[in-house]
Amino acid sequence: EVQLVESGGGLVQPGGSLRLSCAASGFTFSSYWMSWVRQAPGKGLEWVANIKQDGSEKYYVDSVKGRFTISRDNAKNSLYLQMNSLRAEDTAVYYCARGYSYGDLWGQGTLVTVSS
Amino acid sequence: DIVMTQSPDSLAVSLGERATIKCKSSQSVLYSSNNKNYLAWYQQKPGQPPKVLIYWASTRESGVPDRFSGSGSGTDFTLTISSLQAEDVAVYYCQQYYRTPPYTFGQGTKLEIK
Repeated sequence: EVQLVESGGGLVQPGGSLRLSCAASGFTFSSYWMSWVRQAPGKGLEWVANIKQDGSEKYYVDSVKGRFTISRDNAKNSLYLQMNSLRAEDTAVYYCARGYSYGDLWGQGTLVTVSS
Repeated sequence: DIVMTQSPDSLAVSLGERATIKCKSSQSVLYSSNNKNYLAWYQQKPGQPPKVLIYWASTRESGVPDRFSGSGSGTDFTLTISSLQAEDVAVYYCQQYYRTPPYTFGQGTKLEIK
């Protein structure tokens, strides 16, 4: 089955760190750009970051630059998002999505809550 | 960054009637080199991830019913549902993916049954 499954979300204090993972299956992961998109509770979608097939190119939205790092392990068919210096405004469901631009396959998401 | 503005914020349409959602970008998302509009439409139902309906402004994703159509060019785009079905109740988002990131979304339009 073609799918993406996120994990790693949870409750973290402001200033803390968290690492999200996205496990891909059913398709050739190494052939696709991958992206992270987030959605704050009751709010709209916000594109966060994407990464090229070989990891050589990465892009970020300004609000997470210097704090978040996107990476991938093609041998493990996995995408990651290392989130440091977390803020309350980073509270959201984080989705991984397949694709450089628009996402044609999405995971179910993992909830990150930043609160003391 | 390109700002995407959808209208209306919410919409109530009777079953079987047409639903129209607008999306306007703060700058053109038409790339002259290939004459493609870098715009997608998504549907998101409660508790579910977004699902892409339309990309390149008017190309329907495989498996999407043909009652969904996208149109427009440059800065002004429209998603049309020709005959609303109960299962179309959702929030709809447009997204631009012009040139380099960030790839911004509209604020969303909530579609309900009248």
